[in-house]
Amino acid sequence: GAGVSQSPRYKVAKRGQDVALRCDPISGHVSLFWYQQALGQGPEFLTYFQNEAQLDKSGLPSDRFFAERPEGSVSTLKIQRTQQEDSAVYLCASSLGLAGLSEQFFGPGTRLTVL
Amino acid sequence: TQLLEQSPQFLSIQEGENLTVYCNSSSVFSSLQWYRQEPGEGPVLLVTVVTGGEVKKLKRLTFQFGDARKDSSLHITAAQPGDTGLYLCAANAGNNRKLIWGLGTSLAVNP
Repeated sequence: GAGVSQSPRYKVAKRGQDVALRCDPISGHVSLFWYQQALGQGPEFLTYFQNEAQLDKSGLPSDRFFAERPEGSVSTLKIQRTQQEDSAVYLCASSLGLAGLSEQFFGPGTRLTVL
Repeated sequence: TQLLEQSPQFLSIQEGENLTVYCNSSSVFSSLQWYRQEPGEGPVLLVTVVTGGEVKKLKRLTFQFGDARKDSSLHITAAQPGDTGLYLCAANAGNNRKLIWGLGTSLAVNP
């Protein structure tokens, strides 16, 4: 498919476990974003990549959250020692150009539930 | 802190009714986008407005950007059940890095 894909779609973790969420952006898209979304709320910005460079990680809630995009394509969001408050939908978006100027295309999200 | 306030937060109407949702801020934005999100999916872009006072139409949806580029509205005429979803506004403050998002308006159109 030509859209943004995310895996897994659903993840259940026990408190304290580490999780890794994957995002495959649209091929050729320069910008990649990770968002956290609570039920019925708008997305909350986590971090932004321009190619392989992480230019903004101001939204990451703690040092348990880590994101990478080593080759400027696929990105992984890792959450260490998960807590119940980490339960949310994690959305990935990509855009062709710079963040504020280009349309962002979203993946379907990964719903994380921490028990 | 730049905030986008959306109202109403929830709206439940009957098929055929008209509605307007609002996106307001005290900050000036270079552009503003409206997205629609269905359950289990990511948001999908509906429109981008750039010029103060700009009006854009997308079938039964009319989008307006305020003259001062601080606020926007989305008007839906003769709503249909397929319009049900979460409507989100997002604005670019001009730093070309990230969008500022509103909390959304959850719309339910009942047949």
